Amino acid sequence: GDSVTQMEGPVTLSEEAFLTINCTYTATGYPSLFWYVQYPGEGLQLLLKATKADDKGSNKGFEATYRKETTSFHLEKGSVQVSDSAVYFCALRDPGGYNKLIFGAGTRLAVHP
Amino acid sequence: DTEVTQTPKHLVMGMTNKKSLKCEQHMGHRAMYWYKQKAKKPPELMFVYSYEKLSINESVPSRFSPECPNSSLLNLHLHALQPEDSALYLCASSQQGQLLNEKLFFGSGTQLSVL
Repeated sequence: GDSVTQMEGPVTLSEEAFLTINCTYTATGYPSLFWYVQYPGEGLQLLLKATKADDKGSNKGFEATYRKETTSFHLEKGSVQVSDSAVYFCALRDPGGYNKLIFGAGTRLAVHP
Repeated sequence: DTEVTQTPKHLVMGMTNKKSLKCEQHMGHRAMYWYKQKAKKPPELMFVYSYEKLSINESVPSRFSPECPNSSLLNLHLHALQPEDSALYLCASSQQGQLLNEKLFFGSGTQLSVL
């Protein structure tokens, strides 16, 4: 079945450092891809998405490009802030419908001043 | 109003108790979801309702019983749970459930502990 693999965390960075969180997927066809963020004690929020190959999703300084050749959707940010500390989930939409999302294991990011 | 509201935020129950989790949204969404998230794990889909009808049951044990009394409300009735059912239960909603690339709106969850 379809699956998502994320780099293991935690990722610890200093403020203003460059962030990359790797995400690769296995799927039949070309699913839509998402990054969700979960702040402590909260639910998940959609950070960005891409619906087809070569699409770039972006939001709040975060970017990810849908790479069909490498089946990847890596999350990047040029300069992280302490407020970016959270758990980041890569996900794909199951093609079976009903908006079923398949999540990766999540990567915890800790940003220190 | 773009919120999904879940109550209670925290719940502690014994294995013989019966309790219910409640989820509410007023965005006019017709699809609502229950996800279960164990500590340090990703969310896993449990149920999907679309237009108040159960559309997906991901082989969830019968001790979890969902109910969608109307398009704004989603309940999860709990009975005879096990300690391994302790988790964060997340509710979500989306426009219809079947449109491509619908955005899911998540609530902040109910943290459930089963003793």
